Amino acid sequence: GIQVEQSPPDLILQEGANSTLRCNFSDSVNNLQWFHQNPWGQLINLFYIPSGTKQNGRLSATTVATERYSLLYISSSQTTDSGVYFCALPLGNRDDKIIFGKGTRLHILP
Amino acid sequence: DAGVIQSPRHEVTEMGQEVTLRCKPISGHDYLFWYRQTMMRGLELLIYFNNNVPIDDSGMPEDRFSAKMPNASFSTLKIQPSEPRDSAVYFCASSTSGTGGELFFGEGSRLTVL
Repeated sequence: GIQVEQSPPDLILQEGANSTLRCNFSDSVNNLQWFHQNPWGQLINLFYIPSGTKQNGRLSATTVATERYSLLYISSSQTTDSGVYFCALPLGNRDDKIIFGKGTRLHILP
Repeated sequence: DAGVIQSPRHEVTEMGQEVTLRCKPISGHDYLFWYRQTMMRGLELLIYFNNNVPIDDSGMPEDRFSAKMPNASFSTLKIQPSEPRDSAVYFCASSTSGTGGELFFGEGSRLTVL
């Protein structure tokens, strides 16, 4: 089945810094999502981005489906950005079976 | 609009007891997913339904686990008998094929089996 790899696994940054999180996948996909799991455990939708670039405030995401990767950019990070960031995408040829990468744990220091 | 609603939020039980977790998907969503999250294994897909029909239960760990979706607005995940290794956060999520599978999650049910 499709392989999903997220990097880096852990990231510690000072408040105000910028960061780039990466999601590599081994096969073509028709959809890809980014989620933020906050310290209280809630999984929050960030982007649904099968291709192209989207922006929402300080966050933006780019998926290059032909090269099998997606990037999540966080600018001017705040302590509330701390948590785990997951990419999620369909497994193999089933567009409806969504699996998750192992995530990037981000810790923003005040 | 209400999001995905799960209950209970927390459950503490003793080994051997039956556990039932409940989920109400977002109205109009035709897909429902059950995931389990642990430190060791991350987020695992257990089972998912489309139009109340189970599509893939290959992630269900063993026969002690079962899931049902009797109607479009309700699903249960049952563990009988429960074991300490079942301790985890269980998430329910729903989506509609009309949006190409964008998932929306409930807040999860944290299960502790003593």
